[in-house]
Amino acid sequence: EPEVTQTPSHQVTQMGQEVILRCVPISNHLYFYWYRQILGQKVEFLVSFYNNEISEKSEIFDDQFSVERPDGSNFTLKIRSTKLEDSAMYFCASSEPRQGMNTGELFFGEGSRLTVL
Amino acid sequence: SQQGEEDPQALSIQEGENATMNCSYKTSINNLQWYRQNSGRGLVHLILIRSNEREKHSGRLRVTLDTSKKSSSLLITASRAADTASYFCATASGSGYSTLTFGKGTMLLVSP
Repeated sequence: EPEVTQTPSHQVTQMGQEVILRCVPISNHLYFYWYRQILGQKVEFLVSFYNNEISEKSEIFDDQFSVERPDGSNFTLKIRSTKLEDSAMYFCASSEPRQGMNTGELFFGEGSRLTVL
Repeated sequence: SQQGEEDPQALSIQEGENATMNCSYKTSINNLQWYRQNSGRGLVHLILIRSNEREKHSGRLRVTLDTSKKSSSLLITASRAADTASYFCATASGSGYSTLTFGKGTMLLVSP
């Protein structure tokens, strides 16, 4: 069964360092997302990506964050200068194209746990 | 205001019992979805109910939607220890594409 894969599963970094989290969405999906979940809290939307551009982003997704689809398979989230409060589980998700553009089921990866020291 | 608030926050039951979780939301929606998350793992989609549907079933899952009350419920019948997880509702708003907004979740513990 196709799945969304994420690497690394866990990354520990020093405050101020750059981090790149990688995701391989399901191959025929066209919508890609990053969400994050701070320990014990709700899953928060960061950004959605469609047709090689950001389609929507939240207030959390400030200038320190960027996303890229460098080739036909990878989808990356970069945090330029990490802060302590960036420590969280980051989830990549993808979804199929749907007629009428209504939002359907999201397929999530297992997450990348980021710990900023 | 929060979109998608589940209650209870935590639920503890015995195997074989039914578990009911509720979700309330504030804005109009296109559809509402329920996801499951095992501790430390990714979210798994369980079921989607559209705004013009009132009830939907999938195996041991039953979801209801009351758009007049802006609420949904997820019923898991004949629960098993393997159902132990956190359950989240998520809403998609508007008439076209939108992102999903997740609630805080209900943590379900099913004891053998």
